[in-house]
Amino acid sequence: GENVEQHPSTLSVQEGDSAVIKCTYSDSASNYFPWYKQELGKRPQLIIDIRSNVGEKKDQRIAVTLNKTAKHFSLHITETQPEDSAVYFCAAPLTQAGTALIFGKGTTLSVSS
Amino acid sequence: KAGVTQTPRYLIKTRGQQVTLSCSPISGHRSVSWYQQTPGQGLQFLFEYFSETQRNKGNFPGRFSGRQFSNSRSEMNVSTLELGDSALYLCASSPMGQNEKLFFGSGTQLSVL
Repeated sequence: GENVEQHPSTLSVQEGDSAVIKCTYSDSASNYFPWYKQELGKRPQLIIDIRSNVGEKKDQRIAVTLNKTAKHFSLHITETQPEDSAVYFCAAPLTQAGTALIFGKGTTLSVSS
Repeated sequence: KAGVTQTPRYLIKTRGQQVTLSCSPISGHRSVSWYQQTPGQGLQFLFEYFSETQRNKGNFPGRFSGRQFSNSRSEMNVSTLELGDSALYLCASSPMGQNEKLFFGSGTQLSVL
């Protein structure tokens, strides 16, 4: 089955710096890679996702890149702000049918001002 | 539209008891999935239901079970509770149930004493 590894587990940056979180997956058939953000005490929320037919996707200050050959994908946050502080989870599908996701163990991002 | 609703918000049980958690998806959503969240293991997939059928199941013992009703509402049951079952149980719904955004509920915090 699918296995997702996420690094680093914690990341501390200064406001305005960039942050990069990396994930690897094991199933070469996986074709959908979402990123969820979970603020303290809140529910996880999708912030961006990418499908295997594109290599990069951007949404304002966040971007995701996908390297299918190497089976890894990364989240890039530019011009970080204190409100970006949260736990970020990457994920990949458990199977090709359905919505079941295998999540990475999460990265706690702290942005200090 | 109302979001995903989970009840109860908090539960305290003792070892050996059983518990039932409830999830009402967003109106019109047909897929419901369940995740267990713990500090050490992150988000772990339990099971996924679509149109009253279990479509995927995670690697949890048979003490964990679930079902989905014709109105898409879902319940999960844990029998013979163990201390290690203490966790936040999150329910998520999606419209069509195929590699798409998951909408999470606020979760049920279960404590087993």
